[in-house]
Amino acid sequence: GAGVSQSPSNKVTEKGKDVELRCDPISGHTALYWYRQSLGQGLEFLIYFQGNSAPDKSGLPSDRFSAERTGGSVSTLTIQRTQQEDSAVYLCASSPPPTGNTIYFGEGSWLTVV
Amino acid sequence: AQSVSQHNHHVILSEAASLELGCNYSYGGTVNLFWYVQYPGQHLQLLLKYFSGDPLVKGIKGFEAEFIKSKFSFNLRKPSVQWSDTAEYFCAVKEGTYKYIFGTGTRLKVLA
Repeated sequence: GAGVSQSPSNKVTEKGKDVELRCDPISGHTALYWYRQSLGQGLEFLIYFQGNSAPDKSGLPSDRFSAERTGGSVSTLTIQRTQQEDSAVYLCASSPPPTGNTIYFGEGSWLTVV
Repeated sequence: AQSVSQHNHHVILSEAASLELGCNYSYGGTVNLFWYVQYPGQHLQLLLKYFSGDPLVKGIKGFEAEFIKSKFSFNLRKPSVQWSDTAEYFCAVKEGTYKYIFGTGTRLKVLA
């Protein structure tokens, strides 16, 4: 596809369950970001991948959150033992080289923890 | 670390009114600044960006923003809004080579 693709678009899960969110960046984009958008909180940086370099995980809020990027393309954000405060929209974005140019967002995965 | 403040959380305007949304960032030096827009049900998309040069930047759909270094500001403007401008607007600053720091957003509602 032409844009950043995310799945699922909506996910309702029970507290304590694990969830996986997937992101397929724009072809040729070497940089990939995950952000979290909570009501009234703006966009919170979670993690950044660039090619084969070690990711910047400084924004992950707890050790329940992890992300990987396989083959420099698709990324999966995993939240273990979900809590109600994890409810948010999880946005993926990608960016072409050189590093730090305009980033392009997907439509997000809306996670609701009940 | 950088932070971004958007002081207007909700703005309601009538069509044809002029718009100015405030954005301030926390510290100076070389900055790259952005405005993104999220229309209802759509993904975030870039409105305009400032890297260097002319501090008055023009973007899509008649929007412009002015970088004022002395005020650490990058306010978004549009002379005459339309109903279709109803959306949420986010200011962002790039920290370092890749990290984008976003403000909390401003929800704009334009009344027809």
